[in-house]
Amino acid sequence: EAGVAQSPRYKIIEKRQSVAFWCNPISGHATLYWYQQILGQGPKLLIQFQNNGVVDDSQLPKDRFSAERLKGVDSTLKIQPAKLEDSAVYLCASSLDWSQNSPLHFGNGTRLTVT
Amino acid sequence: QQQVKQSPQSLIVQKGGIPIINCAYENTAFDYFPWYQQFPGKGPALLIAIRPDVSEKKEGRFTISFNKSAKQFSLHIMDSQPGDSATYFCAASETGANNLFFGTGTRLTVIP
Repeated sequence: EAGVAQSPRYKIIEKRQSVAFWCNPISGHATLYWYQQILGQGPKLLIQFQNNGVVDDSQLPKDRFSAERLKGVDSTLKIQPAKLEDSAVYLCASSLDWSQNSPLHFGNGTRLTVT
Repeated sequence: QQQVKQSPQSLIVQKGGIPIINCAYENTAFDYFPWYQQFPGKGPALLIAIRPDVSEKKEGRFTISFNKSAKQFSLHIMDSQPGDSATYFCAASETGANNLFFGTGTRLTVIP
């Protein structure tokens, strides 16, 4: 079974620039998550999709962050404009059925540095 | 507000030792408590999980102990090995709810 694929692995940008991250979940997983992991902290949920619909985006800073999952498969997370405090690892995860606590499968993340 | 509090922040043990990582929660609606293991440069991976209807669950060298009345749970690693050196996260959620709340992580180092 192929795992969750994310790209790029690393990204360095200046503040006020924009950046986009891509995620391809495990085949057949209807639920897709984006988490933000700041150095030394646990992952924090940004947004959760069920197929191509948003289940929870209450923690997403919508003035600068956006995410989409148009065809219910892969997803893109965008930050525009970036701030210094956005420096973190952005993790994508997928699961079979979030309502039954199916295990989350994480990708290796994108490490973003904002200078 | 931290939904799940985890301690210690870091832990160093000798090979063969039994590191213990503790977590506490407040929300009594939580009914699913997984532990994730994360190696440098990798995403977290599910290690073991427990529900409140049991007080202990064991998988290989990893054991979760659960105390519902104290709202605490802990991870024990028996006969720890250098390959267990990683960051461990406890987490909690409510079945059917959207969010899995993670602790702040414990960086474990097992010395050969």
